[in-house]
Amino acid sequence: KQEVTQIPAALSVPEGENLVLNCSFTDSAIYNLQWFRQDPGKGLTSLLLIQSSQREQTSGRLNASLDKSSGRSTLYIAASQPGDSATYLCEYGPQESSGSRLTFGEGTQLTVNP
Amino acid sequence: GAVVSQHPSWVICKSGTSVKIECRSLDFQATTMFWYRQFPKQSLMLMATSNEGSKATYEQGVEKDKFLINHASLTLSTLTVTSAHPEDSSFYICSASNPRGQNNEQFFGPGTRLTVL
Repeated sequence: KQEVTQIPAALSVPEGENLVLNCSFTDSAIYNLQWFRQDPGKGLTSLLLIQSSQREQTSGRLNASLDKSSGRSTLYIAASQPGDSATYLCEYGPQESSGSRLTFGEGTQLTVNP
Repeated sequence: GAVVSQHPSWVICKSGTSVKIECRSLDFQATTMFWYRQFPKQSLMLMATSNEGSKATYEQGVEKDKFLINHASLTLSTLTVTSAHPEDSSFYICSASNPRGQNNEQFFGPGTRLTVL
């Protein structure tokens, strides 16, 4: 059974810090991995999508990397701001032939303090 | 990016009634849509995969007779919670993939918060 784990579960940092969120998965038959943010009571906003053939993607202050061999992805947030406060979810997208399902991690709840 | 809408955004209903939630892809055709449920402080859980013109595929533990899914067109999928009970209160989110878009990226609707009294 595919498992997706996110560490840490919660993180509180002062404004301006650079930070790293971690996502690990057990099934290496990955098709893609997607990072989302979720604000309280709201839906998901897609941040970055990494294909299995890619090593990283960047968007503004965000950088996501993928290491298939170790089953890990990291989301790097540079110069964090209070507006970054949200829950960050990673979603594992399996290869169709693998039999695994789309799976979300439980999320990292980020609080950036002014 | 592509836009997915959901209606209603929130609904409160009495126990025993049925509630229909719509998921629409506004600017692309989606042969496949996904329905998720999220309980408070928990992650999203995939409930079912909705395929246009065919029966939905339900995840283990999800009652297909309770959560009816209809994907009658390439831009609309509906989820009907039949005979809703308080334990069905949750946040329901749909997503769709644009087959002509890049890399099977999923686009999510804003979610529907269901409260069953």
